[in-house]
Amino acid sequence: DTEVTQTPKHLVMGMTNKKSLKCEQHMGHRAMYWYKQKAKKPPELMFVYSYEKLSINESVPSRFSPECPNSSLLNLHLHALQPEDSALYLCASSQHDTAWNEKLFFGSGTQLSVL
Amino acid sequence: QKEVEQDPGPLSVPEGAIVSLNCTYSNSAFQYFMWYRQYSRKGPELLMYTYSSGNKEDGRFTAQVDKSSKYISLFIRDSQPSDSATYLCAMRDSGGSNYKLTFGKGTLLTVNP
Repeated sequence: DTEVTQTPKHLVMGMTNKKSLKCEQHMGHRAMYWYKQKAKKPPELMFVYSYEKLSINESVPSRFSPECPNSSLLNLHLHALQPEDSALYLCASSQHDTAWNEKLFFGSGTQLSVL
Repeated sequence: QKEVEQDPGPLSVPEGAIVSLNCTYSNSAFQYFMWYRQYSRKGPELLMYTYSSGNKEDGRFTAQVDKSSKYISLFIRDSQPSDSATYLCAMRDSGGSNYKLTFGKGTLLTVNP
């Protein structure tokens, strides 16, 4: 099973709304990631959690707030977003036991539109 | 010079053709190489993962790595309309705590029936 599950698949929100994106994996992976992907561009790394601790924040604005409640779950809390934040938000996970085994598996993403 | 260069295409081929997708890179520290397939509005799907020079085959797909030339390729044999997607190369260095992949810009492939 190499499945990373993301909910919701689609989300439309206003600039004053608060919403959350959810991600779940049951592969026993110990690293989890949030990526942002604009149309016709490659994914851009936002955050990395390693063993449930935030290890990388790629200078992401504070209106994006990640949370890792346990080793299987990853959330991204959204507040006061801007229209330019509209994008496909991807969750990914990797084993993180040996350097050669760091294969990233992505979820299907949440297509976010900010009005 | 960007770290990873990938021809964005688009590439259009007839069904059954052999497809060659390519990436070059400048960072000699890159040791692990991946190819992802991404259908429209879906997440990237890991197709191939290699960490040594040479060829790796999986069904109709062959990944080729030439570290001396800093060049990787993905070959698709007997291409099918279902192969129509964007193909992203990705790579990273060997650092144990380095989680960051460097992606190419992706090549949009269309296989025509």
